[in-house]
Amino acid sequence: DAGVIQSPRHEVTEMGQEVTLRCKPISGHDYLFWYRQTMMRGLELLIYFNNNVPIDDSGMPEDRFSAKMPNASFSTLKIQPSEPRDSAVYFCASSERLGDRGQNEQFFGPGTRLTVL
Amino acid sequence: AQTVTQSQPEMSVQEAETVTLSCTYDTSESNYYLFWYKQPPSRQMILVIRQEAYKQQNATENRFSVNFQKAAKSFSLKISDSQLGDTAMYFCAFMTLVSGAGSYQLTFGKGTKLSVIP
Repeated sequence: DAGVIQSPRHEVTEMGQEVTLRCKPISGHDYLFWYRQTMMRGLELLIYFNNNVPIDDSGMPEDRFSAKMPNASFSTLKIQPSEPRDSAVYFCASSERLGDRGQNEQFFGPGTRLTVL
Repeated sequence: AQTVTQSQPEMSVQEAETVTLSCTYDTSESNYYLFWYKQPPSRQMILVIRQEAYKQQNATENRFSVNFQKAAKSFSLKISDSQLGDTAMYFCAFMTLVSGAGSYQLTFGKGTKLSVIP
């Protein structure tokens, strides 16, 4: 398996522009997570999906952020309009299942480094 | 709310020596999972080791082992025979399932930057 795939690896954009980050989870994984990593705040969970359905989006910072998962093999995280404080590394991760006796670990993609000028 | 504390922002160790990274957490849950993730300069997050709270035996993975003290809510990572490739940020993570809600909570610590010195 190729692992979790994210694109682009780097994105530089100007304030006010729309940014779309993409993720392909590991085939067969039921859970997909979006994280943001910054020096100041560390690793933050933004949202996660179970079987393509958003379960908890309480970590999404504000309405400018939105995430979708139209099918089991693809998810997007969109920022519109983008601001300089959105600059961070955004990770996507997937997990096979969660449960009292499940493996539970998450497999991370390589991340997208976003810079908003 | 769960909290995870890594009290050592940075550490260094001589190659081939042993180092221990500390992690404490706070929760009222009794069933949960703990993880150590490694993030090398390449930025890729890699699972190092995991521990289920219901297991008393400490997890081990080759040169990596944990000291899980449930009563003290402590979950330290020991790296034996340190290698240059161990240089990375190490994150402790805590996960619990929210009973009846079908959801879960995952919290990461701020990380410890480990440098292995030749």
